[in-house]
Amino acid sequence: QVQLVQSGAEVKKPGSSVTVSCKASGGTFSRLAMNWVRQAPGQGLEWMGGIIPIFGTANYAQKFQGRVTITTDESTSTAYMELSSLRSEDTAVYYCASDGAQWPLEHWGQGTLVTVSS
Amino acid sequence: NFMLTQPHSVSESPGKTVTISCTRSSGDIATYYVQWFQQRPGSSPTTVIYEDNQRPSGVPDRFSGSIDSSSNSASLTISGLKTEDEADYYCQSFDSTNRGVFGGGTKLTVL
Repeated sequence: QVQLVQSGAEVKKPGSSVTVSCKASGGTFSRLAMNWVRQAPGQGLEWMGGIIPIFGTANYAQKFQGRVTITTDESTSTAYMELSSLRSEDTAVYYCASDGAQWPLEHWGQGTLVTVSS
Repeated sequence: NFMLTQPHSVSESPGKTVTISCTRSSGDIATYYVQWFQQRPGSSPTTVIYEDNQRPSGVPDRFSGSIDSSSNSASLTISGLKTEDEADYYCQSFDSTNRGVFGGGTKLTVL
C-alpha cells in the first residue's frame, strides 16, 4: 500500500520561499507521476504541477510557472515542491498526490499547511 | 487551457439521488478521462470515480460516473444518499499537455 508522508507545517514571510517534501513508500516511485495540489482556506483544489521521477522533467500549471519547482530524489523516494516569492495568497494546505497503477492522483499525502504572514 | 465548472452546492434528502455536473469549457470531454474526488472536512481527497465511470474497490456502487458529449460534461450520481456522503466533491481532468485541472468543487448537503 502506497503511503505519502509530507513534511510539517511552515510559517514564512512574504517574499521568501518554502520547500515541502513528500516521502513515498510501498510503491513504484520512479515510474508514476507525482502531483502537487494546493487548497487555500475555504477554497477548492488547485493543481500546481507534476513530475514523473524517471523522466525528471516537471510540468507546471501556467499560474505557477516561474515560481514553482518540483523535483524528486529517487534514492530516497522523495518529491519536493519549492514555491518562491511567497505572498499572503499562497497560504494554503499543500498536498502531494501520486498516480497509482490504475488511475491518476490515486494516493494523497496528509497535507502541509503553509502560512505566509509578516 | 480549459475550465471545469461545477455547481457550488447541492442538497438532497437521505435515500434520494443527487447528480453533480462538471462542464468542460473547451476540448472534448470524451478525450481525457475525468476523475471525481470526495473530500471531507480536515481530510485529504479520495477517489470515488476514475476514468469517467470506474469505481475503486471499497467505494459503494451507489456512486456512479458518466460523460455526455452533447453537453460536454461529466456527472457524478450518488443514489440512496446517506448522511456520510455529505462532503465536497471535485471533478478533475488533464489537458493535451498533461496539465491537470480541477473543478471548483460542489458542497453536498444531505438533510
